[in-house]
Amino acid sequence: DAMVIQNPRYQVTQFGKPVTLSCSQTLNHNVMYWYQQKSSQAPKLLFHYYDKDFNNEADTPDNFQSRRPNTSFCFLDIRSPGLGDAAMYLCATSRGSGQSYNEQFFGPGTRLTVL
Amino acid sequence: SQKIEQNSEALNIQEGKTATLTCNYTNYSPAYLQWYRQDPGRGPVFLLLIRENEKEKRKERLKVTFDTTLKQSLFHITASQPADSATYLCALGRSDTGRRALTFGSGTRLQVQP
Repeated sequence: DAMVIQNPRYQVTQFGKPVTLSCSQTLNHNVMYWYQQKSSQAPKLLFHYYDKDFNNEADTPDNFQSRRPNTSFCFLDIRSPGLGDAAMYLCATSRGSGQSYNEQFFGPGTRLTVL
Repeated sequence: SQKIEQNSEALNIQEGKTATLTCNYTNYSPAYLQWYRQDPGRGPVFLLLIRENEKEKRKERLKVTFDTTLKQSLFHITASQPADSATYLCALGRSDTGRRALTFGSGTRLQVQP
């Protein structure tokens, strides 16, 4: 089945120690998104790629970076995790053809714990 | 500033009744609105999309309305079942970034009692 895969499902890191979360998709979608979701809160968009075009949200901290080496993969790098970065990180994709209203397909998420 | 409001209190209903969830927004002119279902520890799953020029959309037991004058969407689940218990998120489509980006509400948790 076509899907969005996130690895690892659970990640524990130490305060200030860089961490990378990965996302892959078999849907061949143009757009890939990264969201941060804290308990009982809305998923918050960090950035998204439309093909290779990177779109950063204005309030995303510089501590968060992303890479998309090809259509299928996207990575979220947290350069110096703080305690406030503990959250569920969700990857999503959409077809994104021009002006679009397309639905987003989410992965299962990576739960990040910062010690 | 832009704001999306969903009832943070859980909605408890009896099996077989209609559940109605509300999404209100301010300082926003969304091009479209989507509803998602999220189970604990899982990613959201898309349910329905409604565009700014549409009043109502239906899919099986689900119905969504969109009133751009009231700045409100209502999400209905008819003949609710315990399996419908989850958190339901509304998401507004932004008119920038080629209408690709969504802003999510924090969701309303629905509990359907057998």
